[in-house]
Amino acid sequence: DTAVSQTPKYLVTQMGNDKSIKCEQNLGHDTMYWYKQDSKKFLKIMFSYNNKELIINETVPNRFSPKSPDKAHLNLHINSLELGDSAVYFCASSRFRARNEKLFFGSGTQLSVL
Amino acid sequence: KNQVEQSPQSLIILEGKNCTLQCNYTVSPFSNLRWYKQDTGRGPVSLTIMTFSENTKSNGRYTATLDADTKQSSLHITASQLSDSASYICVVSGQNSGNTPLVFGKGTRLSVIA
Repeated sequence: DTAVSQTPKYLVTQMGNDKSIKCEQNLGHDTMYWYKQDSKKFLKIMFSYNNKELIINETVPNRFSPKSPDKAHLNLHINSLELGDSAVYFCASSRFRARNEKLFFGSGTQLSVL
Repeated sequence: KNQVEQSPQSLIILEGKNCTLQCNYTVSPFSNLRWYKQDTGRGPVSLTIMTFSENTKSNGRYTATLDADTKQSSLHITASQLSDSASYICVVSGQNSGNTPLVFGKGTRLSVIA
């Protein structure tokens, strides 16, 4: 019954590799997001999709490419991984794109680049 | 520049005691403010939302206040429990923030000890 689920929970990989993180929400929400939480626990938005359409693309290296096959899924593909990419990545969703909408977060994917 | 500052960075209290977490923001014009609780290894979960016209709101042992004039919010936890140990994140939404409406604080790490 998990509302927002993302896989894998942990991802350990070598520099230069390509990896993907998957996210699915079963809440019927229109909007999905990817956030990055660094070692200081600061959450930063990376991308937002509304009904499969990209609406937010913050200053993120183009090695990061989100893909939304349908509005219940938002996957994140990362090419040529670097040490600085190590962080916890959270997927989230909200009913709408509105400013006061509650975000529902997944449990996070801890990415470690060696 | 839109910013959200939280204090203290970390806090340790004894079980059963009360505590207050602070959030100061410069986001203007202001739309609303949410407090999230993030347990270790999990995604943040919304505790409450404060809109411009609200001064105080309670959710069980959590009471949030908002002073829109001084641009300050607080989260008061009464009779703390071990399960309150978590990071508490203040998130402010502006009215005219384009496609990036949310400004995140860095959180307060609360540890409740027996």
